[in-house]
Amino acid sequence: QITLKESGPTVVKPTQTLTLTCTFSGFSLSTSAVGVGWIRQPPGKALEWLGFIYWNDVKHYSPSLKNRLTITKDTSKNQVVLTMTNVDPVDTGTYYCAHRGGDFWSGYHDYFDYWGQGTLVLVSS
Amino acid sequence: QLVLTQSPSASASLGASVKVSCTLSSGHSTNAIAWHQQQPEKGPRFLMKIDSDGSHRRGDGIPDRFSGSSSGAERYLTISSLQSEDEGDYYCQTWGTGIHVVFGGGTKLTVL
Repeated sequence: QITLKESGPTVVKPTQTLTLTCTFSGFSLSTSAVGVGWIRQPPGKALEWLGFIYWNDVKHYSPSLKNRLTITKDTSKNQVVLTMTNVDPVDTGTYYCAHRGGDFWSGYHDYFDYWGQGTLVLVSS
Repeated sequence: QLVLTQSPSASASLGASVKVSCTLSSGHSTNAIAWHQQQPEKGPRFLMKIDSDGSHRRGDGIPDRFSGSSSGAERYLTISSLQSEDEGDYYCQTWGTGIHVVFGGGTKLTVL
């Protein structure tokens, strides 16, 4: 059974760095083709993809945010960490981590088949 | 540029069927997509992946009331025997080399 859960601060001040942790179970990020993605959702708005980290430590980021994002993994702890620098009130929203879609038999692709419950982040002074 | 276009809203009566569409931008008509459901005040849930030939794979625990199909650049999600808990937002999502991940703007489904 695959589960993911996000954790981190509820409130962050503008210009600070936001650090969120995704703790997962039911899969390993050392398994070939496995990946974890980050997605966010401003209040009342649509989903926005932030980035992906894969089993081989390759990372892909949203072009619009790549200069501010870093994603890392700790395979031994089953955790993925998202860091966003220089936050602004427009970064307020719910942040989700999710499992890269697929499995050993059907192959993996860059969609999301298991989602975390999300964590709400407010950027405010 | 890879863009997914969804109608902002859809509605249908309790017990009826509804078809929600997602349109792939020009040059990307063979992309597979995924559908995600977001009930009010909840996180997204994966419904299914749909390939360009219409074949689809439902997520764990998703009832067969939810089905998918394709026609050209259109990808569809059909929900039959609508229930009140089907009300919410539905997002399509696709991916590609160099483009990585794109979400549609979402369709808000109202069950009348």
